[in-house]
Amino acid sequence: EDKVVQSPLSLVVHEGDTVTLNCSYEVTNFRSLLWYKQEKKAPTFLFMLTSSGIEKKSGRLSSILDKKELFSILNITATQTGDSAIYLCAPEKYTGGGNKLTFGTGTQLKVEL
Amino acid sequence: KAGVTQTPRYLIKTRGQQVTLSCSPISGHRSVSWYQQTPGQGLQFLFEYFSETQRNKGNFPGRFSGRQFSNSRSEMNVSTLELGDSALYLCASSFSGPQETQYFGPGTRLLVL
Repeated sequence: EDKVVQSPLSLVVHEGDTVTLNCSYEVTNFRSLLWYKQEKKAPTFLFMLTSSGIEKKSGRLSSILDKKELFSILNITATQTGDSAIYLCAPEKYTGGGNKLTFGTGTQLKVEL
Repeated sequence: KAGVTQTPRYLIKTRGQQVTLSCSPISGHRSVSWYQQTPGQGLQFLFEYFSETQRNKGNFPGRFSGRQFSNSRSEMNVSTLELGDSALYLCASSFSGPQETQYFGPGTRLLVL
């Protein structure tokens, strides 16, 4: 059975801190791994990672995938209160009839002043 | 371009009833995926539809069903509601499948009493 574990489950930091969120996975027929940010309702897309060792960056956020060790990390530098959210990782697998995402339970990040 | 819309936004039902939720994808998107989100289980995949056909299905009982219409709008139905079905139900659309960026709707919050 596919498994996705995110850690930590939650953390509280102060503005300006740097955080690293972890995602480990066991998924057959792996294709890619996606990161989402969920604030109030709908998750919003952050990154899609398909290749090992290639860092993707978007402003203060960056992410990297290790397909050998089966994990990904999401880094946020100089955190702001607006970064407070649940961060979800979702490895994607090919099922033969299409592709399917399996979501982790997420990391709840709270950034305080 | 209008985003993914879901109706209704909130719903209260009692055990044993059935419910139908609706999702209108972004114009031009043909893939619609449904997810259930609860605090304990996180985001769990229900099913994915593409061109009116169910391509993938998660590990949910047969009480959960769905369909997709020719205009790509999708509905999901839950029969014989149980208390544990209380959750946020999210749908996400993409052009051809979850391997592309999925855009999530705001969700339907279902409370079963």
